[in-house]
Amino acid sequence: SQQGEEDPQALSIQEGENATMNCSYKTSINNLQWYRQNSGRGLVHLILIRSNEREKHSGRLRVTLDTSKKSSSLLITASRAADTASYFCATDGTGGGNKLTFGTGTQLKVEL
Amino acid sequence: ETGVTQTPRHLVMGMTNKKSLKCEQHLGHNAMYWYKQSAKKPLELMFVYNFKEQTENNSVPSRFSPECPNSSHLFLHLHTLQPEDSALYLCASSQGLGGGTDTQYFGPGTRLTVL
Repeated sequence: SQQGEEDPQALSIQEGENATMNCSYKTSINNLQWYRQNSGRGLVHLILIRSNEREKHSGRLRVTLDTSKKSSSLLITASRAADTASYFCATDGTGGGNKLTFGTGTQLKVEL
Repeated sequence: ETGVTQTPRHLVMGMTNKKSLKCEQHLGHNAMYWYKQSAKKPLELMFVYNFKEQTENNSVPSRFSPECPNSSHLFLHLHTLQPEDSALYLCASSQGLGGGTDTQYFGPGTRLTVL
C-alpha cells in the first residue's frame, strides 16, 4: 500500500507568501524525509526528521511530525519563484534497511 | 550537482531494441537504487543494491535487468520493453547505513520513450 500521500496535489501562491504541504502515512516509521524535484530532474534531499522529533528547521524550511496522527507538514516561509518544484515526503519502515517509500508529491508554483 | 551521474539523459527505443542505462556515483556510497517515475504516480522503487549485492527487487518485470559491478556503478539493461515502460528512470545512492537515516542522492534521470 502507498505509504506517503501529500496534500494538496498542487499549490499556487504569490512570491513572499508561505507554502504549507502535508504528508500522511500509514505504518510506523523511524524517520521521515522531504525531497524536492525540479521539473524532469532528480530529487534533492531537503530535511530529515526522526520519529522522536516533533519539529525541525532548516533555513526557510520548517518540518513538523505528529506520529500519533501519522502526518508531517513542510512549511516554506517567504517563498521565492525559485521554490517552484514538486515536493515529496519519503518514509522508511521500522524494520531497518534503507528502503524509502515516496508519496505522489505536491506541485508548488510560486508566481511573481 | 549531487555527485550522481546518469547517461544517457534521453533515450528513444523501439520495443525490439536492447539498450542500457548507466549510473555512476562519486560519493563513496555503498547503496544504489533504481526508481521509475511515471506521470501522476508515486516514485516506484525497482531495485536496491547494498555493497554490490541486490537486496530488493520490487517485482520488476524481467525485461529490466540490473547490474552492479562495483559500489560506484549501476546499470539497467533494457530489452523488449513496452510503451507503458516510458518514464523517467532515476538512479540514487546512499551511504547504506540503513535504519531510514540514509539520505539518498539522486541523479538527473534518463527520460525513456518506448515506441
